[in-house]
Amino acid sequence: QSVLTQPPSASGTPGQRVIISCSGSSSNIGSNYVNWYQQLPGTAPKFLIYRNNQRPSGVPDRFSGSKSGTSASLAISGLRSEDEADYYCAAWDDSLSGHVVFGGGTKLTVL
Amino acid sequence: QVQLQESGPGLVKPSQTLSLTCTVSGDSISSGSYYWSWIRQPAGKGLEWIGRIYLSGSANYSPSLKSRVTISVDTSKNHFSLKLSSVTAADTAVYYCARDMAYGVADYWGQGILVTVSS
Repeated sequence: QSVLTQPPSASGTPGQRVIISCSGSSSNIGSNYVNWYQQLPGTAPKFLIYRNNQRPSGVPDRFSGSKSGTSASLAISGLRSEDEADYYCAAWDDSLSGHVVFGGGTKLTVL
Repeated sequence: QVQLQESGPGLVKPSQTLSLTCTVSGDSISSGSYYWSWIRQPAGKGLEWIGRIYLSGSANYSPSLKSRVTISVDTSKNHFSLKLSSVTAADTAVYYCARDMAYGVADYWGQGILVTVSS
């Protein structure tokens, strides 16, 4: 049971815009930044979005993040076949001396 | 180019201690600019944060694993280590080490190492 809640799956066709949600609480998303990771099959996770909406260098601007209250979302526009992957949200949680919490992950399928 | 590489036994017996090391290249743990983290992923499941350590030795741990986890750092070898005691089959996972920019933002990851707990 993950602390952050994500839908287990999402899908879209090439060119579409897909949004993946991430829901938390006041001790994590409500008071800290949200980060997103992309995990392609058989590989280590990749740093995708940090501080709610910042893209590391090299990440296409098709990927964007937002946060409102205790929820966050990752939007992928102009969907491409290579975007098919698992996506995880994460945030710092202030409870119990502080720790990182992850969402359960969303498997994105490009139809 | 920052690189992290996990190493250690791929097979650990139940009730024993899992020990892994993450060697960092392209950056110096001694710089004090980052935290250094461990994250794991059971097969077919999601990511689970284990903990992180700073240059000073100050560490944060997952509440669910805190009683069994120790993370340490060796600046002379530019590596940090994970020890997880009293392992069971539930600890079987791919273990990743990562560089933590701040508040758990893992910007560089190792390739991961599969650790199986079995007799």
